[in-house]
Amino acid sequence: NAGVTQTPKFRVLKTGQSMTLLCAQDMNHEYMYWYRQDPGMGLRLIHYSVGEGTTAKGEVPDGYNVSRLKKQNFLLGLESAAPSQTSVYFCASSYIVSPYEQYFGPGTRLTVT
Amino acid sequence: GEDVEQSLFLSVREGDSSVINCTYTDSSSTYLYWYKQEPGAGLQLLTYIFSNMDMKQDQRLTVLLNKKDKHLSLRIADTQTGDSAIYFCAENSSGGYQKVTFGTGTKLQVIP
Repeated sequence: NAGVTQTPKFRVLKTGQSMTLLCAQDMNHEYMYWYRQDPGMGLRLIHYSVGEGTTAKGEVPDGYNVSRLKKQNFLLGLESAAPSQTSVYFCASSYIVSPYEQYFGPGTRLTVT
Repeated sequence: GEDVEQSLFLSVREGDSSVINCTYTDSSSTYLYWYKQEPGAGLQLLTYIFSNMDMKQDQRLTVLLNKKDKHLSLRIADTQTGDSAIYFCAENSSGGYQKVTFGTGTKLQVIP
């Protein structure tokens, strides 16, 4: 049981490049989330999904797109990377029953130059 | 909107108790959580408390909830160097999905 995995672990992009971050979970969770973590700002929700084929915007969605074609995978895309998107990105998943504990992946450290 | 605030840093000596504080704004929160993030890793749930409880104890951890003041605290007894981490307070909001709002995190440094 691997839990939540993220690929890649590190990435450096040039401004304007695009990339996709992959999140996979093997716990059959309905909910999945993408957060970014920046110093002094905690975790901010980018997008989330409440089930296969559904996605919704979180607190800071601009510049990102997501897809959830399979229940176990949640992809985060950056169409045209900007230096402001330099951050650590975390994927998480949770059950739909209380207490709604979120299980986190190890994170992807992205630097945009 | 919901807001969760914490102090950014706390330093304690090994063996002392640590108290990490948090304030939140959403009075309709059903669960409040403490997550722990060790260096280079994702967050892990440490403990949680249901909103109709005042206190929860789990081994060295004590969670206190003051709903009137919207104040949550985490006490770690006999703090060890392995407790050095970032601790996030979080609240579960009553949105259309189970949305969790995280605080900024408190970095706990344990001095040997």
